[in-house]
Amino acid sequence: KNQVEQSPQSLIILEGKNCTLQCNYTVSPFSNLRWYKQDTGRGPVSLTIMTFSENTKSNGRYTATLDADTKQSSLHITASQLSDSASYICVVSAGLASGTYKYIFGTGTRLKVLA
Amino acid sequence: DAGITQSPRYKITETGRQVTLMCHQTWSHSYMFWYRQDLGHGLRLIYYSAAADITDKGEVPDGYVVSRSKTENFPLTLESATRSQTSVYFCASSVRQGVTEAFFGQGTRLTVV
Repeated sequence: KNQVEQSPQSLIILEGKNCTLQCNYTVSPFSNLRWYKQDTGRGPVSLTIMTFSENTKSNGRYTATLDADTKQSSLHITASQLSDSASYICVVSAGLASGTYKYIFGTGTRLKVLA
Repeated sequence: DAGITQSPRYKITETGRQVTLMCHQTWSHSYMFWYRQDLGHGLRLIYYSAAADITDKGEVPDGYVVSRSKTENFPLTLESATRSQTSVYFCASSVRQGVTEAFFGQGTRLTVV
């Protein structure tokens, strides 16, 4: 069964600290993995997209890693800011034989950054 | 305005009523998607469209109808709303499927009473 599991469910950190969010997946056949940021009351916004051959991708203070062998990804946030308070969603896509794609969403990690 | 917009932002309707959620994008993206987001679940795909007049079911299509007569619009209709359809609905669009970015609207919070 295709699944995406994220941990922790929620996290509270102090402004300026670093944190790492985890994503484990059992999706086959794997096509790509995305991390989205979703502010409260808004739609998700893409942070990174990684294919099978990419191990690391950065977007400013956000760095995503992918280990396709262990089927794990992490999102590292450096020097957190109050504006980083949001839900972070991991999405894994499977490339189907029909040529279409299936997107499996994790339930997200809710991050709260305190001043 | 450029981008992808949904309307209304908030809607309260009664059980059994028909309600239509609108989605409009200005990029001429081929693909458009409707998702629902509920506590404890990841976003779940309701319907998607690969082009005008081409639509297909997603993971949870029952009770919903879509149409796409124009590339830029992708309305979602609840034919007879039920309380279980209370949710936040997101529309998204992308140039194509695969390794391309999808852009989401701001969402419509629908409450069925």
